[in-house]
Amino acid sequence: DTAVSQTPKYLVTQMGNDKSIKCEQNLGHDTMYWYKQDSKKFLKIMFSYNNKELIINETVPNRFSPKSPDKAHLNLHINSLELGDSAVYFCASSQRLAGEYNEQFFGPGTRLTVL
Amino acid sequence: GQSLEQPSEVTAVEGAIVQINCTYQTSGFYGLSWYQQHDGGAPTFLSYNALDGLEETGRFSSFLSRSDSYGYLLLQELQMKDSASYFCAVLSGGYNKLIFGAGTRLAVHP
Repeated sequence: DTAVSQTPKYLVTQMGNDKSIKCEQNLGHDTMYWYKQDSKKFLKIMFSYNNKELIINETVPNRFSPKSPDKAHLNLHINSLELGDSAVYFCASSQRLAGEYNEQFFGPGTRLTVL
Repeated sequence: GQSLEQPSEVTAVEGAIVQINCTYQTSGFYGLSWYQQHDGGAPTFLSYNALDGLEETGRFSSFLSRSDSYGYLLLQELQMKDSASYFCAVLSGGYNKLIFGAGTRLAVHP
């Protein structure tokens, strides 16, 4: 069973288009994240949701809009795609928010290429 | 500002020991974590240090010195499958927020 899954795995699209990436976790975790990994492999947090509530919202263009319909799902919608959006987007989840550090479990990633 | 420094590349031979250092400067610090990522794969958790000292998990150990803002990942008895990128990450803030370093690419040769 896949713990954290993402669809699609690859996404190739034209500048200006709108696209969505979906993420699901079957670990029963409360917290989910979106990360962006650029071509130099730099991994940066974008958003985090805890029980469907947005708790981390980094300096990300407002063309990016996350949505969490329930605590097992976190989607990322990107409007008006730009060349600089090309990257690998990782979804992750962790058990709970407070207290001891919680290991983050990453999905397989979605490689987005904007032409 | 927030910054983490780690070497960009390390090379070693099978069976050897390698240490990957990480120094950090962040506005908040709760602990230091290490993740491994193989090419084309997802980051996977290796270790977490909240307190000073050495934590050992099999062939991998991680060390933290909070007073020096420094940590390292020690990999022993290197195997070819250890060839990957290794990221240190600071747990910063109260929302399980990780700030990642740029990663160290480890190449293990026969």
